[in-house]
Amino acid sequence: GAVVSQHPSRVICKSGTSVKIECRSLDFQATTMFWYRQFPKKSLMLMATSNEGSKATYEQGVEKDKFLINHASLTLSTLTVTSAHPEDSSFYICSASRLAADTQYFGPGTRLTVL
Amino acid sequence: SQQGEEDPQALSIQEGENATMNCSYKTSINNLQWYRQNSGRGLVHLILIRSNEREKHSGRLRVTLDTSKKSSSLLITASRAADTASYFCATVAFGNEKLTFGTGTRLTIIP
Repeated sequence: GAVVSQHPSRVICKSGTSVKIECRSLDFQATTMFWYRQFPKKSLMLMATSNEGSKATYEQGVEKDKFLINHASLTLSTLTVTSAHPEDSSFYICSASRLAADTQYFGPGTRLTVL
Repeated sequence: SQQGEEDPQALSIQEGENATMNCSYKTSINNLQWYRQNSGRGLVHLILIRSNEREKHSGRLRVTLDTSKKSSSLLITASRAADTASYFCATVAFGNEKLTFGTGTRLTIIP
């Protein structure tokens, strides 16, 4: 159990467009979901924490108007990168947990390339 | 930033040898976790050790925690080619749900 999926796995888009990434907990209900960003050969940096039915909490330095997070149900959270630019190209990984301080289960990641 | 440091950054060993990776962190923790990441993939949870524990085993994995030194080590015994991956430690502070990741160790097992 505790499987998390992400869609799409890869996306290439033009500069200025918006891209939506989905994160789903397939076999459990996730009260809390987390979004991370990872640059090549680097560690994961937490972008935001989202709790079902409430606004996401963003980490310092993360633009909430650029990275829109919606956690509308206990099994789905979405990250929308608005007006994407080449510097937004990165590997985006989500994780989900049943309770706020519970073990996080990670999705397989989404590689975003902005041309 | 509370990000921890991992040492070494990269490690190459022969198959069958043991691999040891170290993690240091900066603040008091509730627990420390180790994850594995294969290239371009998501993270796989390996083991969790709580602040009141000193050692934990899981299969070929052995994790130690020294809260006085704010450090942890991950030992993989009898390494296999399939163990080739990046390994990250991550800490959770008391009263906090967030994982703070270390910088990672890239482990290469040479067949």
